[in-house]
Amino acid sequence: QSVLTQPPSASGTPGQRVTISCSGSSSNIGSNTVNWYQQLPGTAPKLLIYSNNQRPSGVPDRFSGSKSGTSASLAISGLQSEDEADYYCAAWDDSLNGRWVFGGGTKLTVL
Amino acid sequence: EVQLVESGGGLVKPGGSLRLSCAASGFTFSSYSMNWVRQAPGKGLEWVSSISSSSSYIYYADSVKGRFTISRDNAKNSLYLQMNSLRAEDTAVYYCARETDIVPDYWGQGTLVTVSS
Repeated sequence: QSVLTQPPSASGTPGQRVTISCSGSSSNIGSNTVNWYQQLPGTAPKLLIYSNNQRPSGVPDRFSGSKSGTSASLAISGLQSEDEADYYCAAWDDSLNGRWVFGGGTKLTVL
Repeated sequence: EVQLVESGGGLVKPGGSLRLSCAASGFTFSSYSMNWVRQAPGKGLEWVSSISSSSSYIYYADSVKGRFTISRDNAKNSLYLQMNSLRAEDTAVYYCARETDIVPDYWGQGTLVTVSS
């Protein structure tokens, strides 16, 4: 049971816009920034969004993040076949002397 | 280029021990906190442990506290995870990840630990 809650699956057709939600609590998303990772099959997670809405160098601007209260969202516009992957949200949690917490992951399928 | 290369994984019996290593290059290792994060087969990501740049601050997930020990050698640009009293539920790919002030940014390719009799 993950501390952050994500839908297990999402889907869209090429060119569409899809969003993935991430719900937490006051000790994590409510008081700290949210990060998003993309994990392609058989590879390590790659940082996609940090500090709620910042993109690391090299990440296309089709990917965007937002946060409101104890929830966050990842949006992918102009969906492409290579976006098919697992997506995880993450945040620092101030409870229990501090720890990183993750969502359970959302498998994105490009139809 | 930032590179993190894990090693030391393998098959171990329940109750056994294993020591994972993570060799870092391409950045000033001694300036960054580091993490171990694991992923059980077909499952999501689970944070395991963190260590600050000078080893002053160390954190563990409740699931491994008392059994795992994180350490680092800044002179050797290396991160370690000593895993004792291993259980079947510790079976996972273990990733090391560099942490900036606000986020684990670069991750290694992972090393597989299988706990089975």
